[in-house]
Amino acid sequence: GQNIDQPTEMTATEGAIVQINCTYQTSGFNGLFWYQQHAGEAPTFLSYNVLDGLEEKGRFSSFLSRSKGYSYLLLKELQMKDSASYLCAVRGRSFQKLVFGTGTRLLVSP
Amino acid sequence: NAGVTQTPKFRILKIGQSMTLQCTQDMNHNYMYWYRQDPGMGLKLIYYSVGAGITDKGEVPNGYNVSRSTTEDFPLRLELAAPSQTSVYFCASSLGTSGDSYEQYFGPGTRLTVT
Repeated sequence: GQNIDQPTEMTATEGAIVQINCTYQTSGFNGLFWYQQHAGEAPTFLSYNVLDGLEEKGRFSSFLSRSKGYSYLLLKELQMKDSASYLCAVRGRSFQKLVFGTGTRLLVSP
Repeated sequence: NAGVTQTPKFRILKIGQSMTLQCTQDMNHNYMYWYRQDPGMGLKLIYYSVGAGITDKGEVPNGYNVSRSTTEDFPLRLELAAPSQTSVYFCASSLGTSGDSYEQYFGPGTRLTVT
């Protein structure tokens, strides 16, 4: 089976940096995804990691360590619009299926 | 491109009623998915399709049926609605599952209440 753990909620201040962690146990591994979901809206794709290391995309970066079953999403220069839920999702042995964590709700305050 | 569209946006059903949630994509994507999201929870895969005429079960298929007669459309059918099916339903599509084609694009969701 697959198990994904993320913190339920985090708070941060505008302009700061925040790191959202995700740990997973899977049978097989074929990639880890991060999605952003604003309240009442659909998820939107942020990043994809399949090899160990850091992927940077503007203010957002995502890190993966396959040996530790661990990923994090790093958000820099936080803006109010970054207040959202961040979903970690893992693709295991089946390429067609993504298993999602319950999401981390991030609240950015002025 | 409209992307992934879903209808209806909201629906209230009585226990035992049936309905079909519609999903259409205009990106010529091969893969389509149906998820449900309960409050404060992650997305759970209900069914998916790798192309017209081919569908398969996800994590939580019981109580649902799907069909994929065209590349564009992937309707989800609820037979004999139950309160446990109260949820937000998201349809998604992707071009493939490898390389640059893995990104899933989501529709706006259908909020379903069964009472």
